[in-house]
Amino acid sequence: ETGVTQSPTHLIKTRGQQVTLRCSSQSGHNTVSWYQQALGQGPQFIFQYYREEENGRGNFPPRFSGLQFPNYSSELNVNALELDDSALYLCASSSHRDGSSGANVLTFGAGSRLTVL
Amino acid sequence: GQNIDQPTEMTATEGAIVQINCTYQTSGFNGLFWYQQHAGEAPTFLSYNVLDGLEEKGRFSSFLSRSKGYSYLLLKELQMKDSASYLCAVSGMDSNYQLIWGAGTKLIIKP
Repeated sequence: ETGVTQSPTHLIKTRGQQVTLRCSSQSGHNTVSWYQQALGQGPQFIFQYYREEENGRGNFPPRFSGLQFPNYSSELNVNALELDDSALYLCASSSHRDGSSGANVLTFGAGSRLTVL
Repeated sequence: GQNIDQPTEMTATEGAIVQINCTYQTSGFNGLFWYQQHAGEAPTFLSYNVLDGLEEKGRFSSFLSRSKGYSYLLLKELQMKDSASYLCAVSGMDSNYQLIWGAGTKLIIKP
C-alpha cells in the first residue's frame, strides 16, 4: 500500500504571498487532516476533511483554507503569508466510518517545510 | 483549558530502559496516542490506549491511567535508532478526530 505523499517538500515564500500545499492520502483512507508543526513543538491541528467537506477546525484564521478531492487527496492554501507561518506542514490520512466511535490512527506524510521571508 | 505535558528532553544509555511520562488535562477523553518522530521525518504511530492498563508491543509498552490523567511510554533494550522525539497526543470526547498534542520529548541515546 502507498503511504501519504506531500509536495513540495521545501519551499520559500515572502510575506504577503500565497502558497498551496498538496497531499495524497494513503490507499484506503478517506479522511485527511492538516497540522502545523513549529520547530521543537508538537503538531497543531489546522483542519480535517471528510467527504470533501471540512468537518473540524483548529484555532487558525480563515486565510488557512483547504480542499479535498473525490480521490481523497487534499490541498492546504494559505493566503497573505506571515513570518510566523514558517513551519513544517504535515498531512495525515485516516479511515473514518460513519457511526464508529474511537479515535483513528493517523498516517502522516513527511511534510512540507515552508519558510516565509 | 486543555493541556498535555511531557519532559522536553531525556538522555539514556544504549541497552538500558527509559520511561517517558505524559500528563494530560482535556475536555473528555477518547484515547491517547504515542508517536515517534525522527528529525526531519513524519511522525509514526507507536501505540494507542483507551482503557487503563499496560499495552505491550515488542520493545515498546504504553501505560494509561485515566483517573490520574497520566500515561507513560516504556522503551526497553534501547538502540541508537531510538534517538527521536516521542509525541503524546490525546483525542478529546467532543471531536474524536482533533488530537491535542504535547510538545514532544527528545530522547538522546548514548553508547
